[in-house]
Amino acid sequence: NAGVTQTPKFQVLKTGQSMTLQCAQDMNHNSMYWYRQDPGMGLRLIYYSASEGTTDKGEVPNGYNVSRLNKREFSLRLESAAPSQTSVYFCASTGLSYEQYFGPGTRLTVT
Amino acid sequence: GQQVMQIPQYQHVQEGEDFTTYCNSSTTLSNIQWYKQRPGGHPVFLIQLVKSGEVKKQKRLTFQFGEAKKNSSLHITATQTTDVGTYFCADLSSGSARQLTFGSGTQLTVLP
Repeated sequence: NAGVTQTPKFQVLKTGQSMTLQCAQDMNHNSMYWYRQDPGMGLRLIYYSASEGTTDKGEVPNGYNVSRLNKREFSLRLESAAPSQTSVYFCASTGLSYEQYFGPGTRLTVT
Repeated sequence: GQQVMQIPQYQHVQEGEDFTTYCNSSTTLSNIQWYKQRPGGHPVFLIQLVKSGEVKKQKRLTFQFGEAKKNSSLHITATQTTDVGTYFCADLSSGSARQLTFGSGTQLTVLP
């Protein structure tokens, strides 16, 4: 049981480049989430998917898109990266009592 | 939207001292969850509080939910170096998606 996995672990992009962050969970959870974490600001919700086939905006969706590919996988895409998107990105899924299980994170730097 | 304030932002304690972090909101919280994030790691779920006035204990950790459901606290008795990390509270929304709104966290340093 791997839990929640994320790839890549680290990434450096130049301004304007695009990339997709991958997330998968093997716990058969319905809901999945993408957060960004910046120093001193806790975790902020970017997008979430309450169930397969649905996605919704969170607190900070601008500059991002998501795809819920199937029940296991939820990807986050940056179409044109900006330095303000330098952050640590976490994917999470929700258990039966609504506790969230987080992946190991992707550390993204945009220069 | 819902705002969850957490204090203090940083806390340094000597090993063996107690530690408390507080979570406050101007509006009623639904359910409160607490997470711990070790340096360089990811948040890990600790506990969920649901009822007004609820108190739960996990070994040296005591979690409380205020009577008015507008505040919560995490107290660690006799800290150890293994307690180092950032502690977050989060409010679980009552909507269909059950989103979490996180506090900004308290970073705990334990000096040996």
